[in-house]
Amino acid sequence: ETGVTQTPRHLVMGMTNKKSLKCEQHLGHNAMYWYKQSAKKPLELMFVYSLEERVENNSVPSRFSPECPNSSHLFLHLHTLQPEDSALYLCASSQDGGGSYEQYFGPGTRLTVT
Amino acid sequence: DQQVKQNSPSLSVQEGRISILNCDYTNSMFDYFLWYKKYPAEGPTFLISISSIKDKNEDGRFTVFLNKSAKHLSLHIVPSQPGDSAVYFCAASAASGTYKYIFGTGTRLKVLA
Repeated sequence: ETGVTQTPRHLVMGMTNKKSLKCEQHLGHNAMYWYKQSAKKPLELMFVYSLEERVENNSVPSRFSPECPNSSHLFLHLHTLQPEDSALYLCASSQDGGGSYEQYFGPGTRLTVT
Repeated sequence: DQQVKQNSPSLSVQEGRISILNCDYTNSMFDYFLWYKKYPAEGPTFLISISSIKDKNEDGRFTVFLNKSAKHLSLHIVPSQPGDSAVYFCAASAASGTYKYIFGTGTRLKVLA
């Protein structure tokens, strides 16, 4: 595997379910990100981890819970979501943070909350 | 308030001609700018970047121009090819000490054969 991978690619869940999104980067990067992309809106930064430490939490509701067990893996745990949380969730990594490194994105998980 | 704006949601260009995609920003602290390309069912792919110490950066068919006084950047693709058809996002950051990249809403480019 190369680059940034995400699983699952598609997920349908009810509002009472608990599920997790997984991201893995094979680039040796130190920073990892979760973004949300809703229709006709810009990408919204949700969380940033640098060297496994959370450095940014962009006012995200607590029903989204990130986890970064090591610099290659990032999870987004989901519970009691709302229909408006349906969106494309993108994971990205960069060599480092600091805003001057390009990010490499995974293909995303298309989430539908019913 | 949207700090990075791409006011044209779509653009159609004939193959071989120039494509010009525009992006405006409001935050004068932004000093690093990137363009990404996104195909359907794929994540965005980094295309080209520019630092605020430059006003132009070129990579093959792609050139990004930065006008700091106007808070405007543009991506030129010459010559345009059908494979360039995708959604293009610009993004901006204040490079020092922040992990935040602010993205525009994207412009869908269609290159007609």
